[in-house]
Amino acid sequence: DIVMTQSPESLAVSLGERATINCKSSQYVLHSSNNKNYLAWYQQKVGQPPKLLIYWASTRESGVPDRFSGSGSGTDFTLTISSLQAEDVAVYYCQQYYTTPQTFGQGTKLEIK
Amino acid sequence: QVQLVESGGGLVKPGGSLRLSCAASGFTFRDYYMTWIRQAPGKGLEWLSHISSSGSTIHYADSVRGRFTISRDNAENSVYLQMNSLRDEDTAVYYCGRATTVTTLIDFWGQGTLVTVSS
Repeated sequence: DIVMTQSPESLAVSLGERATINCKSSQYVLHSSNNKNYLAWYQQKVGQPPKLLIYWASTRESGVPDRFSGSGSGTDFTLTISSLQAEDVAVYYCQQYYTTPQTFGQGTKLEIK
Repeated sequence: QVQLVESGGGLVKPGGSLRLSCAASGFTFRDYYMTWIRQAPGKGLEWLSHISSSGSTIHYADSVRGRFTISRDNAENSVYLQMNSLRDEDTAVYYCGRATTVTTLIDFWGQGTLVTVSS
């Protein structure tokens, strides 16, 4: 199975500041047939199901604010929130959908400093 | 709008069985893979199984293979998870998710149903 490792486990950032979450996969999730990284980011707020934010490592889902961006390729990926808003408090998960079983990182809890 | 509504959760004794259902609406159900994912209390997300749009392709996580069975009824716009030989560690919120056919990316999640396995 592909192991997804996120860092840090928790993060406190001031409102308006940048938040950065890292994700590392134990194997490449870049598919040679289409040169796409099968890596997604989800946001889960308290008491809610996860919501898709980013797919193909860097493509924002429709309706997701442009302060959210994804980057990286191969085995190393980053989710960046450029200017933290109060409503961004949540747990963020990376996930690979390159192969089954699909696997998630352990989650990063983002709070306001 | 897209909706996924899970049902069938509850309290069950170890070794018991439970059948979860997920009713879909707001999209063409037969065009999508469907997925089950769970989240133990205070823990992260665990992918369990998915089923192709026709039902011909199914995959399971090792943790549930042989105990859980996924199925779907495209006429009823529903997907199911039959859970047998339940263990304490199966206690979790169970989510169904819609997945795109080409990539199996989960692009929408239901609200979840809680399954508690306890004597």
